[in-house]
Amino acid sequence: QQQVKQSPQSLIVQKGGISIINCAYENTAFDYFPWYQQFPGKGPALLIAIRPDVSEKKEGRFTISFNKSAKQFSLHIMDSQPGDSATYFCAASDQTGANNLFFGTGTRLTVIP
Amino acid sequence: DAGVIQSPRHEVTEMGQEVTLRCKPISGHNSLFWYRQTMMRGLELLIYFNNNVPIDDSGMPEDRFSAKMPNASFSTLKIQPSEPRDSAVYFCASTTGTAMNTEAFFGQGTRLTVV
Repeated sequence: QQQVKQSPQSLIVQKGGISIINCAYENTAFDYFPWYQQFPGKGPALLIAIRPDVSEKKEGRFTISFNKSAKQFSLHIMDSQPGDSATYFCAASDQTGANNLFFGTGTRLTVIP
Repeated sequence: DAGVIQSPRHEVTEMGQEVTLRCKPISGHNSLFWYRQTMMRGLELLIYFNNNVPIDDSGMPEDRFSAKMPNASFSTLKIQPSEPRDSAVYFCASTTGTAMNTEAFFGQGTRLTVV
């Protein structure tokens, strides 16, 4: 059972465009929502994260939008660059118990020049 | 710190053989996770240790899979006997394991191919 559902599976964006990746969850105990970026041959690395007490977090060209009532969150990459081409994973976890990170299935982003 | 170190980077083995993957977490981190990545299923959590103790192994697919953490600086994931459907990239990750959610640091992974 997939705890976090992610879409789309793949995304192609022109350089300078906006990339948007969406995730949804069911477990209302989740209170930490990170996004990880993975380049080929590498392990995932933390990109940006949000907690449910805010609806938006921005770091440079990367923004997380969070909708607690809809149990959805999304990653927006503004002014997308070819160097942003990677696989992006959303994830969720809660503070109780194991601190496990449940990952979405990933989105392969390709930014074309 | 050198980060999370996994070995080997690549492993090709024949069906039925035993495979052992190794992980050295970041010094001072007391939570360690093993993940499996495939195109179809993405990143799946296999097992999680806290202070060298297995906390949740519900993601381990079958009895053929076992994991150990004999000390704070070393963990192994063993598959015996291996099967072609075990082919995947296996990642180890570590965190500080505090009550607050913290960043998980991943190793570079081991690409396993079972033929």
